[in-house]
Amino acid sequence: NAGVTQTPKFRVLKTGQSMTLLCAQDMNHEYMYWYRQDPGMGLRLIHYSVGEGTTAKGEVPDGYNVSRLKKQNFLLGLESAAPSQTSVYFCASTGQGNYGYTFGSGTRLTVV
Amino acid sequence: KNEVEQSPQNLTAQEGEFITINCSYSVGISALHWLQQHPGGGIVSLFMLSSGKKKHGRLIATINIQEKHSSLHITASHPRDSAVYICALPNTGNQFYFGTGTSLTVIP
Repeated sequence: NAGVTQTPKFRVLKTGQSMTLLCAQDMNHEYMYWYRQDPGMGLRLIHYSVGEGTTAKGEVPDGYNVSRLKKQNFLLGLESAAPSQTSVYFCASTGQGNYGYTFGSGTRLTVV
Repeated sequence: KNEVEQSPQNLTAQEGEFITINCSYSVGISALHWLQQHPGGGIVSLFMLSSGKKKHGRLIATINIQEKHSSLHITASHPRDSAVYICALPNTGNQFYFGTGTSLTVIP
């Protein structure tokens, strides 16, 4: 099925561990986004990309890094996880003109 | 300053009622999205609007660009419509402004 695929769906990390979240889209979308969603906070943009090989900081980028080596993939990395990074992470993508705004199913991350 | 204001924040309705959720914004936009998120679930884009009205099943979305206002209507509401509804506006930086969401509960 066409869309945005996020892996993994769930993960528990210990403080200080690292991990990478993968987002893959098969719609040839230019723009990709990583958000975190916390209770009472709504969606907050972590990093985004406007095309292959580009990345930019969003509202809450600290503690995260991203890469977009291929157009279809957008990776979110946590180098040293902290309990404050416990959240639900959503990836999304859109095409030119913001058509086809599509979200992944989310990754529930707990840092203990 | 919040570029996007949604109302109401919470809404409880009886099954079958007609529901309206409002979104007002202060920035110039080319389009507006309505998103739906079920409890514990993923986020789905319901509509993208740049003018007028769109309809999909029991859902109707309208937008008035001059008045900077959009509404999402649900006719003959059903418990499965219980979700959080969010309006999202793309900005010139290819990012999105989000409303705070409207939590809808439809009681059987």
